[in-house]
Amino acid sequence: GNSVTQMEGPVTLSEEAFLTINCTYTATGYPSLFWYVQYPGEGLQLLLKATKADDKGSNKGFEATYRKETTSFHLEKGSVQVSDSAVYFCALRDGTSYGKLTFGQGTILTVHP
Amino acid sequence: NAGVTQTPKFQVLKTGQSMTLQCAQDMNHNSMYWYRQDPGMGLRLIYYSASEGTTDKGEVPNGYNVSRLNKREFSLRLESAAPSQTSVYFCASSDQGLMMDNTEAFFGQGTRLTVV
Repeated sequence: GNSVTQMEGPVTLSEEAFLTINCTYTATGYPSLFWYVQYPGEGLQLLLKATKADDKGSNKGFEATYRKETTSFHLEKGSVQVSDSAVYFCALRDGTSYGKLTFGQGTILTVHP
Repeated sequence: NAGVTQTPKFQVLKTGQSMTLQCAQDMNHNSMYWYRQDPGMGLRLIYYSASEGTTDKGEVPNGYNVSRLNKREFSLRLESAAPSQTSVYFCASSDQGLMMDNTEAFFGQGTRLTVV
């Protein structure tokens, strides 16, 4: 079946540091890949997505590239802000699943001033 | 601008009690989902409804039932709550057909349930 593995957390950074959160997946066929973000006390929001190999998703300074050869979708940001503190979830959806998402375990990011 | 609305936001139950979590979306989406979120485990799918009138089990359906009341509403019922069902529950919806890969899922703000 499908699965998503994220790097162990939590991650603590200083403001303006570089961020990488690793995500690898196993899936049948050609899934779409997503990063969702959950701010404290809120539901999940889509951060970015990529629907085919070599696509790069980007939003709010975050980027992730769909790498089929390494089955990865790592999240990066060049300079984090305190307001980026949140939980980040990598997820996939395959084309046969009526939109069902398979999530990674989530990575807690805390950014200090 | 309501999107996906869940009620209640918080609930404490005693073991063996029953309750229904309500979810409604105003985006005319076909598909709706119930997930539970537990520390270190991400979100796991409990049940989903691909379209009005259909429901199917997800990854962790035991102890739950669902009803797709109409296109807008999708409720989750715990018939006899257990401490293992202490979790945060999220409802989501998407306009997802089999071949529509570009649509995203929209989530409610969650229900924090504690079973004592």
